Amino acid sequence: GENVEQHPSTLSVQEGDSAVIKCTYSDSASNYFPWYKQELGKGPQLIIDIRSNVGEKKDQRIAVTLNKTAKHFSLHITETQPEDSAVYFCAASLQGAQKLVFGQGTRLTINP
Amino acid sequence: NAGVTQTPKFQVLKTGQSMTLQCAQDMNHNSMYWYRQDPGMGLRLIYYSASEGTTDKGEVPNGYNVSRLNKREFSLRLESAAPSQTSVYFCASKDPLPLHFGNGTRLTVT
Repeated sequence: GENVEQHPSTLSVQEGDSAVIKCTYSDSASNYFPWYKQELGKGPQLIIDIRSNVGEKKDQRIAVTLNKTAKHFSLHITETQPEDSAVYFCAASLQGAQKLVFGQGTRLTINP
Repeated sequence: NAGVTQTPKFQVLKTGQSMTLQCAQDMNHNSMYWYRQDPGMGLRLIYYSASEGTTDKGEVPNGYNVSRLNKREFSLRLESAAPSQTSVYFCASKDPLPLHFGNGTRLTVT
């Protein structure tokens, strides 16, 4: 079955700098890769996702890149702000599949 | 729309006690899920229900049972709670994507 590895487990950056979180997956058939943000005391919330027919997707300060050959994908946050502090999860699955497999999570802290 | 609603928000149990975690969604989704979240382990799937009337085991089903009561509701039962079941439990739903989560139940078993 699918296995997703996420790094780093914690990341601390200065406000205004960029943050990058990386994930690798094992099943070459996977074609759906979402990213979730979890704020304290809340459930994870989807922030961006990418299908395997594209290599990059952007939404304002957030971007995701996908390298299907190497089986890894990354979340990029530019011009970080204090409200970006949260736990971020990557995940992978087949689009029609029932089960989404999650990475271990990254705790991102933005220092003012 | 409330989305996915979980009750209770917090619960403390003694070892051996039983309880049911409730989940309801108002998005008319076919698929519903129960995950547990532990530090450093990410989100692990306990059980899921692809449609009303069906349930299947996920990655960590031991010690749990589920009931898909109707299309809206999917409950998780702990028959005899153990300290290893101390965790934050999340219910989620989708149809087909993306997955929508509730705000979780924090369970402590002493």
